[in-house]
Amino acid sequence: ETGVTQSPTHLIKTRGQQVTLRCSSQSGHNTVSWYQQALGQGPQFIFQYYREEENGRGNFPPRFSGLQFPNYSSELNVNALELDDSALYLCASSFGPTGTGDNEQFFGPGTRLTVL
Amino acid sequence: AQTVTQSQPEMSVQEAETVTLSCTYDTSENNYYLFWYKQPPSRQMILVIRQEAYKQQNATENRFSVNFQKAAKSFSLKISDSQLGDTAMYFCAFTTSGTYKYIFGTGTRLKVLA
Repeated sequence: ETGVTQSPTHLIKTRGQQVTLRCSSQSGHNTVSWYQQALGQGPQFIFQYYREEENGRGNFPPRFSGLQFPNYSSELNVNALELDDSALYLCASSFGPTGTGDNEQFFGPGTRLTVL
Repeated sequence: AQTVTQSQPEMSVQEAETVTLSCTYDTSENNYYLFWYKQPPSRQMILVIRQEAYKQQNATENRFSVNFQKAAKSFSLKISDSQLGDTAMYFCAFTTSGTYKYIFGTGTRLKVLA
């Protein structure tokens, strides 16, 4: 059984650029959630995708967008990068939406994004 | 607003001893779930223990147990017989039934000393 993987591991961009982060969910999982973890902070929920549809979103502006593919892998896209977007971006997959609390989330190792 | 507060930024404990990490939360919901996650220096976050708010019995997982005080909105984690591998950031989190948003605290950095 393959765990959650994310690519790339590290990324450096300049302000105003666009970035795409990728996540492969754990085998058998159909739900992916994305989190932003700023240095010294806890993860903040960006959004969740279930069967290719966004089914929940946190307090992030529209320049944060996502996609889920038929194989349940997912992308996080961030446009018009700002310095404050520098963070560790975590992806978590689960078998089903997490709204009941029953579906355990399995986290990937994260992508460290630095915006200069 | 729903919040999670971890008031201990850093803690240390001697190997084989017991340590308790504190967490308080605020929500007006009745149906919710509480979690403790561990994030070792390698960064991959793993679930340590979970508690359903409707269950009065405190959850336990081997050396890890919680003290869930619903009225006080408190959810502390006790680690018994601490091991060097327990060194990590520990995050308290909760989610309410019917939503998909997990709310995390700012974490407690635990160091187990040999």
